Formats: sequence, structure tokens, C-alpha cells
Amino acid sequence: KQEVTQIPAALSVPEGENLVLNCSFTDSAIYNLQWFRQDPGKGLTSLLLIQSSQREQTSGRLNASLDKSSGRSTLYIAASQPGDSATYLCAVSGNDYKLSFGAGTTVTVRA
Amino acid sequence: DTEVTQTPKHLVMGMTNKKSLKCEQHMGHRAMYWYKQKAKKPPELMFVYSYEKLSINESVPSRFSPECPNSSLLNLHLHALQPEDSALYLCASSQALAGRNEQFFGPGTRLTVL
Repeated sequence: KQEVTQIPAALSVPEGENLVLNCSFTDSAIYNLQWFRQDPGKGLTSLLLIQSSQREQTSGRLNASLDKSSGRSTLYIAASQPGDSATYLCAVSGNDYKLSFGAGTTVTVRA
Repeated sequence: DTEVTQTPKHLVMGMTNKKSLKCEQHMGHRAMYWYKQKAKKPPELMFVYSYEKLSINESVPSRFSPECPNSSLLNLHLHALQPEDSALYLCASSQALAGRNEQFFGPGTRLTVL
């Protein structure tokens, strides 16, 4: 059974600092990995999708890397802003057609 | 259009009520999902539909009854719920069921069972 872990559980940084969020998974037989953002009481917004054959994906200030063999992904958010405050979830997709989610990292960016 | 819509946004119901949640997507996706999310926990998969047929039921109690009337629409019928069923119910869709496809989520329905 796939286990996904996100460290740290919570993070508080001053505005302008770069954010580094970590995700690890136990079974490297994945199809892809998605990073999501969730604001309190809201749905999930897909930020980045990395296919298993890719090493990284970039979108604006966001960059996600994937090391499938070691079971790790890292989401970098450059020059953080108060609007980046949210919970960030990573999820991996395997051959059982299901997304296995981590518990999330709650980020607070202080103005 | 990469949008999944859900109605209603909020729902309060008693334990003897019957209600339905609705989810719609117009992206031509053929796989649709229902998830349940409790506070400060990740989403938990409930049901998966592929080409309008139920593919996965994660041993969900029968008081939750999914329905997929057509390729764009997914319903979740609720009956005789318990207070512990109060949660955020999320709908998602993807191009197909295969694991390579990105899932897109709706805004959710906040359900409170009294």
C-alpha cells in the first residue's frame, strides 16, 4: 500500500523567503505525482503534474522536482507572498487508478 | 474550460432526510470521482466512475449512493446519514481512468448532518 508523507506539517516564513515543501512516497511504481493547493474550506487546485518519466515541472514561481527512484518530490515556491498561505498536498497515482495523498503542509507567509 | 462545478456549496440535513449532491464537468472527461474530506485530513476516495460505469467503490456505506446519468454529470444521493458523515465532499474528473491523467477538483460541498 502506497504511503505518502509530507514534511514539515506546518511552515511559517516571512514574505519574500523561498518555500521548500517535501513529499516522500514508499512505492516508486507511480504514473505521476500532483501538487495541489487547498485554501480553508475550499476545493483542491492542481498546481503541477509531473509524469513518472519527468524530473521536474515549472509554472511561474513554482518548481517541482521528482526523484522516482528515491521516492521523493520537492515543491519550491520562490519569493513567497501572503497569498501563498494555504495547505499544499502532494498525491501520487499508481496502477490502481487512485490518488494517494499526503497529509499536507500548511504554509503561512507573514507580511 | 478546466472547471468542475458542484452544487450546493453548503448543505445541512437531518438524519432522516434525503438529499443529493451534484457535480458537473464539460471538459469531455470520462472518469469522475467522489472524495470525502474531514477537517485537517487529506481527501479519501469514495467512488470512481469510468465511462458512466462504477469502477471503484471504496467500501462506502449504502447510505451514500452514487449515480452517473451521463458523461458530464455525477450525483451523490444521501439518505439516513449520521453526524460523523459531516465533511467536505469533493468531486473530481480526469480525461480517463488511467493513472497518467491529471485530476481536476471542484470547490466541494460542505455537508453538515444534524
